[in-house]
Amino acid sequence: DAGITQSPRHKVTETGTPVTLRCHQTENHRYMYWYRQDPGHGLRLIHYSYGVKDTDKGEVSDGYSVSRSKTEDFLLTLESATSSQTSVYFCAISPLGTGIYEQYFGPGTRLTVT
Amino acid sequence: TQLLEQSPQFLSIQEGENLTVYCNSSSVFSSLQWYRQEPGEGPVLLVTVVTGGEVKKLKRLTFQFGDARKDSSLHITAAQPGDTGLYLCAGEYGNKLVFGAGTMLRVKS
Repeated sequence: DAGITQSPRHKVTETGTPVTLRCHQTENHRYMYWYRQDPGHGLRLIHYSYGVKDTDKGEVSDGYSVSRSKTEDFLLTLESATSSQTSVYFCAISPLGTGIYEQYFGPGTRLTVT
Repeated sequence: TQLLEQSPQFLSIQEGENLTVYCNSSSVFSSLQWYRQEPGEGPVLLVTVVTGGEVKKLKRLTFQFGDARKDSSLHITAAQPGDTGLYLCAGEYGNKLVFGAGTMLRVKS
């Protein structure tokens, strides 16, 4: 199994508070991704990173920011949490550059915004 | 925006039956991947198909990539309760993946 951990695994927070989710990898992969998963929508890309301090937006980036100061860590921040951001968040990593594009996922963080 | 549509959304079958899950798009993808996800866990990669018309087998699972690289199918022979899970297809474009909404499979013993 790819070495990916996410923290926290579960979090309940109130509307309007900032929240930061952490993804940590031990594989030294260049690409890291944040997704959210909601019923009926599959996995939707929030932001991704292609190197330290190099990030780009995905299809549902509004209300989220990311940072990557080290290869192994990718942080997702909800600036001011809203109920619509209640979801399961997954981090993924990819050894892009090897010719075949595949992603390996962490165990997920279940976030509830009340 | 590339879209992947999966069908059926839900499938409940008896152990031993065969089934096929479909993944369709109007877009061409460089490659297509299938993942399986169990409750409370992240998706796990099953297979990647790259060449149009390619067929790959993984024990009782057969994956096919359409000739035009716009669609794919997953066929399971003699389904078992351990096959229960959410099956997701994902198409590669550039350095990102776009995911279908998934097919939730339940195999009853």
